[in-house]
Amino acid sequence: GAGVSQSPSNKVTEKGKDVELRCDPISGHTALYWYRQSLGQGLEFLIYFQGNSAPDKSGLPSDRFSAERTGGSVSTLTIQRTQQEDSAVYLCASTGGPNTGELFFGEGSRLTVL
Amino acid sequence: DAKTTQPTSMDCAEGRAANLPCNHSTISGNEYVYWYRQIHSQGPQYIIHGLKNNETNEMASLIITEDRKSSTLILPHATLRDTAVYYCIANQAGTALIFGKGTTLSVSS
Repeated sequence: GAGVSQSPSNKVTEKGKDVELRCDPISGHTALYWYRQSLGQGLEFLIYFQGNSAPDKSGLPSDRFSAERTGGSVSTLTIQRTQQEDSAVYLCASTGGPNTGELFFGEGSRLTVL
Repeated sequence: DAKTTQPTSMDCAEGRAANLPCNHSTISGNEYVYWYRQIHSQGPQYIIHGLKNNETNEMASLIITEDRKSSTLILPHATLRDTAVYYCIANQAGTALIFGKGTTLSVSS
């Protein structure tokens, strides 16, 4: 497809389980972001991948959160030992070209931790 | 990135211009001003960006003061579908885009 694709769109898990969220960015986009948005809250930056540079992980809330980007394309966000406060919509965005601030967002993955 | 300050909320009558202010008094010379909006239950949507000059596209106009310490996003003829949270961000190319709390714009008929 032409846009940013995220899967799953919805995930319900039990506290303590690990989850993986996937993002397929727009083809050719060199930069990829993960954000999360809890109910009624703003966008919280998690991690930023830019080309071959070391990712900016400054937004990851704890060491239970990690992300990787394989081959400069697909990215996976992993949350280990999920907690109820991890419940949120996880949004992925990608960007490329000269206007690096024009982000294209996916529809998000809604995570519910019971 | 420079901190931006926006009003928490604003109201606008349908058909009128919506003027959304943003203060970025500590912006540096290589930081762009970006505007995004997020309509309820959707992902954020890029609107417009600028460095020094005023910019206009099919969605909005961006007016940046000469000293670059503030800017205004103008929606010339607001519609009910423009009801959203509007985010103003100062960003240097190649660095992470950080969203603040934004302005909740309510357009009413």
